[in-house]
Amino acid sequence: SQQGEEDPQALSIQEGENATMNCSYKTSINNLQWYRQNSGRGLVHLILIRSNEREKHSGRLRVTLDTSKKSSSLLITASRAADTASYFCATDSFGAQKLVFGQGTRLTINP
Amino acid sequence: DGGITQSPKYLFRKEGQNVTLSCEQNLNHDAMYWYRQDPGQGLRLIYYSQIVNDFQKGDIAEGYSVSREKKESFPLTVTSAQKNPTAFYLCASSPPGQGTNEKLFFGSGTQLSVL
Repeated sequence: SQQGEEDPQALSIQEGENATMNCSYKTSINNLQWYRQNSGRGLVHLILIRSNEREKHSGRLRVTLDTSKKSSSLLITASRAADTASYFCATDSFGAQKLVFGQGTRLTINP
Repeated sequence: DGGITQSPKYLFRKEGQNVTLSCEQNLNHDAMYWYRQDPGQGLRLIYYSQIVNDFQKGDIAEGYSVSREKKESFPLTVTSAQKNPTAFYLCASSPPGQGTNEKLFFGSGTQLSVL
């Protein structure tokens, strides 16, 4: 089934730097969502961007969507140690009745 | 305190045994989901239910069964037919009145291991 592919698989940066992670998908979507997962915990919804939107902001998060390239990026600005987590993109396709998750990017923020 | 409660947090299964994972929500959500997560991997959908007394198979339903007798509850049974059950299991729900898949709320998960 369709699945987002995330890049990079792992990212390690210094506190205060910006973190960018990317998601590519295969077929047309209704919306794309980003979730965060702390180790051993459930996922938390961060932000949703619809197929007719190109950019969306929420606090220190900025998401872009390029439907022509079937890709999205998540930017976390001014990273903090508490941002250390895995980040997943999830795509909702028309008529699919389910979200399809990527394999995630493991982000480590070093103090 | 509203949310999704999964229990137990850790569960051990003996060979040939069926085990049931509990998922309860008090968010008044119609849709509920079960996902499986293997180490370093994304989530794969096992079963989902959009309304009481109705559920559909996801991508990896073999060896699993569910019921949805109450809106609040969506238990998952891992049967002996599931030969590789060791994984982290996540239950989720989504609110009514919007696209079913527009925002999922997750429980804190159950880690199932085989003895």
